[in-house]
Amino acid sequence: DGGITQSPKYLFRKEGQNVTLSCEQNLNHDAMYWYRQDPGQGLRLIYYSQIVNDFQKGDIAEGYSVSREKKESFPLTVTSAQKNPTAFYLCASSMFLVGTGGNQPQHFGDGTRLSIL
Amino acid sequence: AQKITQTQPGMFVQEKEAVTLDCTYDTSDPSYGLFWYKQPSSGEMIFLIYQGSYDQQNATEGRYSLNFQKARKSANLVISASQLGDSAMYFCAILGTYKYIFGTGTRLKVLA
Repeated sequence: DGGITQSPKYLFRKEGQNVTLSCEQNLNHDAMYWYRQDPGQGLRLIYYSQIVNDFQKGDIAEGYSVSREKKESFPLTVTSAQKNPTAFYLCASSMFLVGTGGNQPQHFGDGTRLSIL
Repeated sequence: AQKITQTQPGMFVQEKEAVTLDCTYDTSDPSYGLFWYKQPSSGEMIFLIYQGSYDQQNATEGRYSLNFQKARKSANLVISASQLGDSAMYFCAILGTYKYIFGTGTRLKVLA
């Protein structure tokens, strides 16, 4: 079955540590996205990528970094510069970058819950 | 800039009854798309229904329908014949420039 796989499901970070969240999709989608969700709030966009080796900052990119070396993969690194990383992180993909061709929905993974030790 | 407002933080509905979840939006784009997603307690986001701004008819998908009132800039989700499995968070979203903009969500609880 095609879909998006996020791992791990739960992640704990120590002070001063960088951690990487994995996101893999086998939907052959060009565009991928990372969102952050805090309790009682909607999703906020961290980074997005339209094609391999290209990515753009979203609304809350500070303290995060990404790479897009393969079409299927879009890992997110939460760096030590992110002072409040405790949140639920969702990865998504869509056939094309939304807003550039058709109004197709985004497909989401099951999320990674990150906490501070 | 686009904006989504969901004013109902929580809703209760009796099983088998219908419920309406409110969503209002703000955009200056002449063409736009509106989406509803469901988020169960497990965390994944499930796409429910889509409405394009130029669609002549309100969108329907099974028990889900969208009450689209363009002049009032509202896109309310109607769930008919509620089931216990409908208990979840529901998010309205608008298609912005290269991204979706989500509302803060409504938590729906279906009562047996």
